[in-house]
Amino acid sequence: NAGVTQTPKFRILKIGQSMTLQCTQDMNHNYMYWYRQDPGMGLKLIYYSVGAGITDKGEVPNGYNVSRSTTEDFPLRLELAAPSQTSVYFCASSYPTGGTGNTIYFGEGSWLTVV
Amino acid sequence: TQLLEQSPQFLSIQEGENLTVYCNSSSVFSSLQWYRQEPGEGPVLLVTVVTGGEVKKLKRLTFQFGDARKDSSLHITAAQPGDTGLYLCAGRYFGNEKLTFGTGTRLTIIP
Repeated sequence: NAGVTQTPKFRILKIGQSMTLQCTQDMNHNYMYWYRQDPGMGLKLIYYSVGAGITDKGEVPNGYNVSRSTTEDFPLRLELAAPSQTSVYFCASSYPTGGTGNTIYFGEGSWLTVV
Repeated sequence: TQLLEQSPQFLSIQEGENLTVYCNSSSVFSSLQWYRQEPGEGPVLLVTVVTGGEVKKLKRLTFQFGDARKDSSLHITAAQPGDTGLYLCAGRYFGNEKLTFGTGTRLTIIP
């Protein structure tokens, strides 16, 4: 079972470059999320989507963009990379079950360094 | 900004000891989850608590949801080196599907 798949695993960017982190899930989940995790810290929500064609901002959306053209895919775009965006990025998905306890499944993470 | 504070931030204890970590907020949750994250991996769900005062056990781990649904605790009995990891609580607020993560507790069990 693939679950949530993120690519690339590791990437080094120069300041001002752009890139897209890819995320796909094969569980037919409606909900998808992008989080970032700074060293030793918890996760902060960047963007989320409740279904194809619908996206919304999380806690820290500045500097990022997302799209959700299909149920399976939820790419995260960095337009002008900045050192503050050096972090580990996690994509996740879930299937809502009344909003009280559905499980979120995480990808393995993408390590991004901006120099 | 809704905050979930976890304490302690770091904890290092000997194998066989007991420990408790805490997750606190000033807001009320509809549900709260605990995750464990190992280096180089994404968080993995341990438990979900939904009812105020609820207690759930997972082998040597005991999770409790506060009566007022604002806080939670994780108690580990006879800690093992395999318990080492980053423990994250995460809460949902009523009417909101988003999951807000706590600041994390990094636990190290020394053999």
